[in-house]
Amino acid sequence: DAKTTQPTSMDCAEGRAANLPCNHSTISGNEYVYWYRQIHSQGPQYIIHGLKNNETNEMASLIITEDRKSSTLILPHATLRDTAVYYCIVRVADENAGNMLTFGGGTRLMVKP
Amino acid sequence: NAGVTQTPKFRILKIGQSMTLQCTQDMNHNYMYWYRQDPGMGLKLIYYSVGAGITDKGEVPNGYNVSRSTTEDFPLRLELAAPSQTSVYFCASSLTSGRPSSFTDTQYFGPGTRLTVL
Repeated sequence: DAKTTQPTSMDCAEGRAANLPCNHSTISGNEYVYWYRQIHSQGPQYIIHGLKNNETNEMASLIITEDRKSSTLILPHATLRDTAVYYCIVRVADENAGNMLTFGGGTRLMVKP
Repeated sequence: NAGVTQTPKFRILKIGQSMTLQCTQDMNHNYMYWYRQDPGMGLKLIYYSVGAGITDKGEVPNGYNVSRSTTEDFPLRLELAAPSQTSVYFCASSLTSGRPSSFTDTQYFGPGTRLTVL
């Protein structure tokens, strides 16, 4: 699976949009981009994933560049409860691929009042 | 649905003791996983299972054993506890299927077991 690069930490004001970037310049054509988050002391929580089109669900939006070398997770109206470590993960969509989610360091998002 | 449940929540072991971390899911997921997370680090895969009776090693399997006799349960066994196994252990499950264009394998995690080996 391709490696990802994320900023170590970011701050965001409550009520504003949080834009979390991720670089994955070595991504290949059959690899998806996944986002998970981990709120302190809890298990990771799935947020969203995509292949090449932009995706939106009730939690967030995922914007993937046309060349697929980077993406941005957008939390449209951040709340204090969104304070967490956000992990960008790239992996092959193949049930024989070992199914490992490779968690890097992630981005520690701090939402401030 | 309870989702993924893990027991115990906390445990302190002495060096050389053994224990089993329990994991159960009620979502009829085919895949199950065990991860460990050391302080300030990301998660690392210990073992995973693609279905009852089938298990495989992940990134850090040494010192652990698993079994998968049913779809619901995936216990993790520590035979000779060592201080290096002090960590938080997360179990997860997923319904993994589909072709690459419609692949789905969202992993759902349990609340974790915090293990200290002294």
